[in-house]
Amino acid sequence: NAGVMQNPRHLVRRRGQEARLRCSPMKGHSHVYWYRQLPEEGLKFMVYLQKENIIDESGMPKERFSAEFPKEGPSILRIQQVVRGDSAAYFCASSPESGGTNYGYTFGSGTRLTVV
Amino acid sequence: KQEVTQIPAALSVPEGENLVLNCSFTDSAIYNLQWFRQDPGKGLTSLLLIQSSQREQTSGRLNASLDKSSGRSTLYIAASQPGDSATYLCAVRTGRRALTFGSGTRLQVQP
Repeated sequence: NAGVMQNPRHLVRRRGQEARLRCSPMKGHSHVYWYRQLPEEGLKFMVYLQKENIIDESGMPKERFSAEFPKEGPSILRIQQVVRGDSAAYFCASSPESGGTNYGYTFGSGTRLTVV
Repeated sequence: KQEVTQIPAALSVPEGENLVLNCSFTDSAIYNLQWFRQDPGKGLTSLLLIQSSQREQTSGRLNASLDKSSGRSTLYIAASQPGDSATYLCAVRTGRRALTFGSGTRLQVQP
């Protein structure tokens, strides 16, 4: 029973390149959440997705960032034209299909993005 | 807008002490509250989940309480061990939105 799988664990990109982060939720979970943790700061919500739908993207920067959760395959967080300020740990969490508020969240190990 | 505050920001104790970590939130209309542990450079491990209708949850040496009306939760760690050293995060769920996190308490247990 694999947990939430994120890859890559570490990603280095030069300024201006694209970063693509992947998240496979736990088996049976169809709700995915992305968070960003800047150095020495707490986790900040970015986006909440269900299969083929963006439910809440209020925490996502308006430019350069996008997210998807296709019918098949993992959820993808895409950052275009990365800048040094994008360097952070990006965490994905999933919750069960019901999306009920009785359930807690299960987090992946994160992707640590470094922009050089 | 929900805001979550954790006190203290950092704590250093000798091994064997019992300790209390505090979490407060501004909007008491929560569905649940979750305590996590984060080791340096690692992901988050869920420790305890308390539903809004519950007052406390226990797991081994950990006990978490919730007072929803006053917007407070405490995490009690009994007989602390060096392996408990980590950052402890409190997070609340309000409605269908995702979790709102506090900034964490960084705990160091000295052997």
